Amino acid sequence: DGGITQSPKYLFRKEGQNVTLSCEQNLNHDAMYWYRQDPGQGLRLIYYSQIVNDFQKGDIAEGYSVSREKKESFPLTVTSAQKNPTAFYLCASSIELGGVPPMNTEAFFGQGTRLTVV
Amino acid sequence: GDSVTQMEGPVTLSEEAFLTINCTYTATGYPSLFWYVQYPGEGLQLLLKATKADDKGSNKGFEATYRKETTSFHLEKGSVQVSDSAVYFCALRKGAAGGTSYGKLTFGQGTILTVHP
Repeated sequence: DGGITQSPKYLFRKEGQNVTLSCEQNLNHDAMYWYRQDPGQGLRLIYYSQIVNDFQKGDIAEGYSVSREKKESFPLTVTSAQKNPTAFYLCASSIELGGVPPMNTEAFFGQGTRLTVV
Repeated sequence: GDSVTQMEGPVTLSEEAFLTINCTYTATGYPSLFWYVQYPGEGLQLLLKATKADDKGSNKGFEATYRKETTSFHLEKGSVQVSDSAVYFCALRKGAAGGTSYGKLTFGQGTILTVHP
């Protein structure tokens, strides 16, 4: 079955450590996204990538890093510089067909990773 | 910048009640509009979408109509079930001008819906 797989589902990190969240998709989508979800705040965009070897900062990129070496994979590293990393992290992907107005596409989401700093 | 505003929750209803969750947006250009649903501990699933003015998206008994004149995309369901208990997100998405597509989703803050038997 096609879809997006995030791992692990739960992750615990000690203060001062870097951790990497995995996101893999087999939908052949060009674009991939990382969102952070906090209670009562909706989803905020951390990073996005439209093509391999290219990525852009979103609204809250400080303390995070990403790579896009393969079309299928978009791992997110939460660094020790992120002051408040405890959150639910969601990865998404979409076809990017271009055009104004945008084509009739939507983003598909993984099941999320809950990161807790202990 | 673009923004989405949803009605504040939580919303608590009895089974078979009528549901409305309000959503209004601010955006330039021609966004597509979406409703996503999130069940406890899971990611987001697309519920319905509309890509131009006056389009109606529908799925699983839920409906929403893209109203450009009021910049709204309110979610409705005539008879809710306990299984509809979840968090509902309104979102917009648009491409950039000049033919370069950047499909960033802008989300509302989410509305928690609880349905009691």
